[in-house]
Amino acid sequence: KQEVTQIPAALSVPEGENLVLNCSFTDSAIYNLQWFRQDPGKGLTSLLLIQSSQREQTSGRLNASLDKSSGRSTLYIAASQPGDSATYLCAVRGYGGATNKLIFGTGTLLAVQP
Amino acid sequence: DVKVTQSSRYLVKRTGEKVFLECVQDMDHENMFWYRQDPGLGLRLIYFSYDVKMKEKGDIPEGYSVSREKKERFSLILESASTNQTSMYLCASSLTGQISGNTIYFGEGSWLTVV
Repeated sequence: KQEVTQIPAALSVPEGENLVLNCSFTDSAIYNLQWFRQDPGKGLTSLLLIQSSQREQTSGRLNASLDKSSGRSTLYIAASQPGDSATYLCAVRGYGGATNKLIFGTGTLLAVQP
Repeated sequence: DVKVTQSSRYLVKRTGEKVFLECVQDMDHENMFWYRQDPGLGLRLIYFSYDVKMKEKGDIPEGYSVSREKKERFSLILESASTNQTSMYLCASSLTGQISGNTIYFGEGSWLTVV
């Protein structure tokens, strides 16, 4: 059974710092991996989707990498801003009968201090 | 922009009541999902649907049912609400086809408190 882990559970950094969020998964047979942002009390917003054949994706100050063989993905945020404060979740889409299912990690709560 | 709309943002219901949570998407997506989100447990899939009138159980379907009579609408039903169903409920939708390229879109969430 696929399990997705995100460490640390919470992170606080000063504004302007570059930071890395980690996501690991136990079964490397995945279709894709997606990173989301969730603001308090709100739904999830998709940030980046990496297909199983890709190694990384970039959007603005965000860069996500995928290493299927080691079961790891990282989300790199450059020059962090207070507006980046949110919970970041990763999710993997796997194989099997319910191929549209996403398995989520429990998230990393990021606080960027001004 | 894709829009997934959950009609009720905040609900308070009594134990034993029947509860309906409604979700509508406007992008003709085949797949729709209901998740619940709890602190420390993350998002857990309750049910999903890949077509009208089709449904499959997720990881925690007990105490819930769903209805998909129209492609754009997916309803979550709590037949007899209990206090352990107090949670944030999230609806989502996505396209089928090339599964590996499909982004999933979420609604704003429905906070349900059962007293």
